[in-house]
Amino acid sequence: DTAVSQTPKYLVTQMGNDKSIKCEQNLGHDTMYWYKQDSKKFLKIMFSYNNKELIINETVPNRFSPKSPDKAHLNLHINSLELGDSAVYFCASSHLAGGHNEQFFGPGTRLTVL
Amino acid sequence: DQQVKQNSPSLSVQEGRISILNCDYTNSMFDYFLWYKKYPAEGPTFLISISSIKDKNEDGRFTVFLNKSAKHLSLHIVPSQPGDSAVYFCAAMPMDSNYQLIWGAGTKLIIKP
Repeated sequence: DTAVSQTPKYLVTQMGNDKSIKCEQNLGHDTMYWYKQDSKKFLKIMFSYNNKELIINETVPNRFSPKSPDKAHLNLHINSLELGDSAVYFCASSHLAGGHNEQFFGPGTRLTVL
Repeated sequence: DQQVKQNSPSLSVQEGRISILNCDYTNSMFDYFLWYKKYPAEGPTFLISISSIKDKNEDGRFTVFLNKSAKHLSLHIVPSQPGDSAVYFCAAMPMDSNYQLIWGAGTKLIIKP
């Protein structure tokens, strides 16, 4: 039943490690997003894929690499994790039509880098 | 440079009364606005939206008002219920932006019984 799912929900890891967060949506949407919610609770867009094509790529370190194997999946791989990467990461999806963009969010992945 | 501002970090309202959440923006190129609700340990969920060609949109207990000249929008919830206690985010979409949303910092709404 879950519309947008993310795994894992919690991720605790050491500095320098490489980790991935997976996201899947079963809504038939054509666009998927990754957001970072920082310590001040702002939601900041990181990446967006429309039909597997990257359309938004905000200024994030190139240690972050999104991968979209198909329209229903957008995974986030992070290399050489740093303390400042600790945050909650949200995946979202939407269907871009008519100039609107109601995004549906996953439950979030809380990443803690020690 | 915050383009979307929610100046009240929190708001406390008696159950049954009206809750009014405010949002100000600076970019006149924004043409679509959305409100999201977020419970702890969950992702934001879409509540209601409004296009810049309108000044009001209503959906059940939720009404969004847009004042373009003041670059201000507000979300009214009436009557407020305990389940409305959550963080509310305002988001805006600029024209020709690849549908990117710009988010406010959120307002925590607490409904008192």
